[in-house]
Amino acid sequence: GEEVAQTPKHLVRGEGQKAKLYCAPIKGHSYVFWYQQVLKNEFKFLISFQNENVFDETGMPKERFSAKCLPNSPCSLEIQATKLEDSAVYFCASSQFTNTEAFFGQGTRLTVV
Amino acid sequence: SQQGEEDPQALSIQEGENATMNCSYKTSINNLQWYRQNSGRGLVHLILIRSNEREKHSGRLRVTLDTSKKSSSLLITASRAADTASYFCAPFQGTGRRALTFGSGTRLQVQP
Repeated sequence: GEEVAQTPKHLVRGEGQKAKLYCAPIKGHSYVFWYQQVLKNEFKFLISFQNENVFDETGMPKERFSAKCLPNSPCSLEIQATKLEDSAVYFCASSQFTNTEAFFGQGTRLTVV
Repeated sequence: SQQGEEDPQALSIQEGENATMNCSYKTSINNLQWYRQNSGRGLVHLILIRSNEREKHSGRLRVTLDTSKKSSSLLITASRAADTASYFCAPFQGTGRRALTFGSGTRLQVQP
């Protein structure tokens, strides 16, 4: 597709429940990035992929967050045992190369109650 | 990791006026990109300036880059109400973490 598609748009989870977010990058883009934005403030980088391989995961809270980009499937970001502070908008972006413009999806708003 | 700091944090102007936003960063870069975020939406790429460029134009946007001062500015001329958004700079190092990192942005309000 010609745009980054993120689903769902909104997700509400009770504390302790699992949350799974999906991202379909633009066809032909090799790189996928996940970001977390809390309260319309700065974007926190979480993880990046080069095709299906993890490229940089230094931003990921390792205990409860995991992500995958498998061939012929949307990429996913999974949060186990969600906490209130996980409430944020999660953005996915894709790019052809790391030093070119990134195209962002519209985000998934996760609310943990 | 490299991230830009935008200044001012917030800016309010009248339609037709020019808006200038600044970005400072700390280490050497490969390029610097500017993005816009409308309320509740994802980031939209505006312009990319390479480290060997000093100025770039795109429509009503003008970006300058001063690598000696490690700073960039984004000028929006003849602003419109539709320019109301948050603007983020993203200095890209090209080494280490090869992902764009963003600061808190400049919130621009253009009054009609």
